Parts: sequence; structure tokens; C-alpha cells
Amino acid sequence: GAVVSQHPSRVICKSGTSVKIECRSLDFQATTMFWYRQFPKQSLMLMATSNEGSKATYEQGVEKDKFLINHASLTLSTLTVTSAHPEDSSFYICSAREDHEQFFGPGTRLTVL
Amino acid sequence: GQNIDQPTEMTATEGAIVQINCTYQTSGFNGLFWYQQHAGEAPTFLSYNVLDGLEEKGRFSSFLSRSKGYSYLLLKELQMKDSASYLCAVMNSNYQLIWGAGTKLIIKP
Repeated sequence: GAVVSQHPSRVICKSGTSVKIECRSLDFQATTMFWYRQFPKQSLMLMATSNEGSKATYEQGVEKDKFLINHASLTLSTLTVTSAHPEDSSFYICSAREDHEQFFGPGTRLTVL
Repeated sequence: GQNIDQPTEMTATEGAIVQINCTYQTSGFNGLFWYQQHAGEAPTFLSYNVLDGLEEKGRFSSFLSRSKGYSYLLLKELQMKDSASYLCAVMNSNYQLIWGAGTKLIIKP
């Protein structure tokens, strides 16, 4: 199957700083990528849909000015958590769609101190 | 609204068979997916059903009935490594994936 990479896999930062997470489709082009957040023992929560060359579509309740998404190429989408706070600590997972399947990156565990 | 229902937790014995059910109500239907997720890891794809019937893939099978809004994932010859959460997801008419909360499967020796 297709491969999606995510970087970094783990990040610890201080409150108030910004963190950028990269999601790459390694062997296919993805016009659409998705960003999810998952809190412990909870299901995936879709944050936003990232479309190459256009603005991301955010789910209700997700602050677009706090979670900046850029999908500048067919193989790269980035999520920047701006002015991170401890409540932003979570597991962030991206996925990329190829045909009818979604392939997930390995996830980024963000801890905000 | 759109929702996916699946049991929160199930327990089964190593070597046995377990069936995890999923019912759904979505705005349109473009396929149903099952994913496996081990703790602390991202989900991995297990199966995709878009037509009614049973799809078999090794020890795992997935069934779909579109008229009933129902699917199940069948795991045979359970192994300890099958202990994980199993996520049911439906792709709606907008090609968005609607996720269930997941079923935590506990395998006992």
C-alpha cells in the first residue's frame, strides 16, 4: 500500500511556542490530506481537510487561526499548532487519500509543558 | 445527523472467533472501512466494503449490508497480537470519513 510519513514523531514544547508537523505522501500524489487529533482512549477526531492549492476546510469547533494548515504541494501538508497550550497535548495523525483508501501517517505525539 | 455505532469493548479467547458489529447512518454511502489501531500508534487499513456481502482476507473477514446500515468484522484464530482497537468508518457522499469510536478488543490466553 501507499506510504505516508509524518515528522516529527514526538515533540515536547513549552507553552506559548509554535510547533509544525509535516505529513508527506511518499509514493503517490495526494490532492487531499486529512488532519486528525486523538485524545487518550478516544476515537479519531477530524480537525480539517487539506486540499492542495486551496484553503483547508476546518471542522466545527477547530480554530483555523490556531491550527494553520498548508498544502503547498501534492505530497506535503503541514499543520502548525500556534501558541500551544497544555490542552493541545494530543496525538496528531495525518492521512492522505488515494482512490477510495486513506493511508495514515504514524502520528505525532505532542506534549505541551 | 451522522453516526457510527460499535461496541466499546469486547473480550475473546486466544484461538477463538470474534465478531465486531458496526451500524451506521450517514448522508450517502461510498464505502465502509475497518481499521486496526494499537495503543499509541496510527490506524492501519484492514478492509473496504462497498457492495453487499462478505470480503475475506486471511484471518479477517468483513461483511456489509447497505440496506440495513450494518457491517461486521470477523476475526478468526485469534492471536494475542490482535489485541487492539478496531475502528469502523463510513465514507459519505462528500467523500468524508465518518468514524466510530472504536471497539477495544481484549484477547485472553
